[in-house]
Amino acid sequence: DAGVIQSPRHEVTEMGQEVTLRCKPISGHDYLFWYRQTMMRGLELLIYFNNNVPIDDSGMPEDRFSAKMPNASFSTLKIQPSEPRDSAVYFCASSFGGAGGYEQFFGPGTRLTVL
Amino acid sequence: RKEVEQDPGPFNVPEGATVAFNCTYSNSASQSFFWYRQDCRKEPKLLMSVYSSGNEDGRFTAQLNRASQYISLLIRDSKLSDSATYLCVVNGNTGFQKLVFGTGTRLLVSP
Repeated sequence: DAGVIQSPRHEVTEMGQEVTLRCKPISGHDYLFWYRQTMMRGLELLIYFNNNVPIDDSGMPEDRFSAKMPNASFSTLKIQPSEPRDSAVYFCASSFGGAGGYEQFFGPGTRLTVL
Repeated sequence: RKEVEQDPGPFNVPEGATVAFNCTYSNSASQSFFWYRQDCRKEPKLLMSVYSSGNEDGRFTAQLNRASQYISLLIRDSKLSDSATYLCVVNGNTGFQKLVFGTGTRLLVSP
């Protein structure tokens, strides 16, 4: 059974460019989460969706970041324009919100470097 | 104050040692508690949930003290393969699904 799939795995871009990260959650999961991880700040929740609807985007750093979930099997996180301080590992995770179903399954992450 | 605080380590221990990690959380309304494990350059994975009565899974024992808002993880008979970063996790105050992660405690087990 496939886990959470993220693409690309690595992205190197120049400051000012648009970056789009993609995520396919585990089939049947109704929650999807986007996290950012850095050495200094650890793992931070950016936004999460329930049944494709954004529930909490309070972690999105600023207007340069946007996330969408057009259907149950696909989500994107976009950074436009990108800045060097956006360099981090971005994880997507999904979970099933049934009783007791709080375990979040993480994808392998996208390692973003903005030059 | 951070919502979840952990000693970053690293903890350097020999194989076979017993090691304990601690974590404190600030939100007294938190209801769910977990330990996740993250290997170098990999994604976090659930190690175990933490229950009020304490729970054990093989060599791993987790304890919760709600009064002190304190969570612990004990690893007995450490193996080389236990080397990883251990993340303390609690649910946030806006729903059970929103999790807050500590910055992790790094464990290095040597031969």
